[in-house]
Amino acid sequence: EPEVTQTPSHQVTQMGQEVILRCVPISNHLYFYWYRQILGQKVEFLVSFYNNEISEKSEIFDDQFSVERPDGSNFTLKIRSTKLEDSAMYFCASGMSQPQHFGDGTRLSIL
Amino acid sequence: ELKVEQNPLFLSMQEGKNYTIYCNYSTTSDRLYWYRQDPGKSLESLFVLLSNGAVKQEGRLMASLDTKARLSTLHITAAVHDLSATYFCAVDVIQGAQKLVFGQGTRLTINP
Repeated sequence: EPEVTQTPSHQVTQMGQEVILRCVPISNHLYFYWYRQILGQKVEFLVSFYNNEISEKSEIFDDQFSVERPDGSNFTLKIRSTKLEDSAMYFCASGMSQPQHFGDGTRLSIL
Repeated sequence: ELKVEQNPLFLSMQEGKNYTIYCNYSTTSDRLYWYRQDPGKSLESLFVLLSNGAVKQEGRLMASLDTKARLSTLHITAAVHDLSATYFCAVDVIQGAQKLVFGQGTRLTINP
């Protein structure tokens, strides 16, 4: 069964550095999403992406965040100038309709 | 703003017992999802409920949706240890792009 793949599985970064989280959505899906989950808390929506542009974003998704689909297969989340509170599990998801299919996540640790 | 609330947040039960997890949401939506998450793992889709009165069953789990009451339930029958996990309900926001709003999750522990 096709699946959403995310790399790396774990990223450790110094505060203030930039990170790029990568995702390969399921190939025939048209909608792409990023969610985050702070340890022990609920899953929070960050951004949705459709037709090569952001379709919706949450309050969390401020100017330090950006998304890109650089080559038609990858879907990336960039966090500029990371903060301690950015430490979380970041999940990519994709879908045609429902349900959304989630990747295994990238655990981001900011030191 | 759509809010999704689950209860209980923590549930410890014995094998063989039955229990129900509740999911309430605050605004109109006809689409509700249940996901399972094992520690440190991703979200596994369990059920997709797309209409009022929808009921779906898979093994010892059964989910239902009452859109008028804005309530979904996840019922566990004769629990077994393998069902220990965190269960999330999520509601689809109809307006604008699809996005899921999740409940806080119910951490289920099933003891022998």
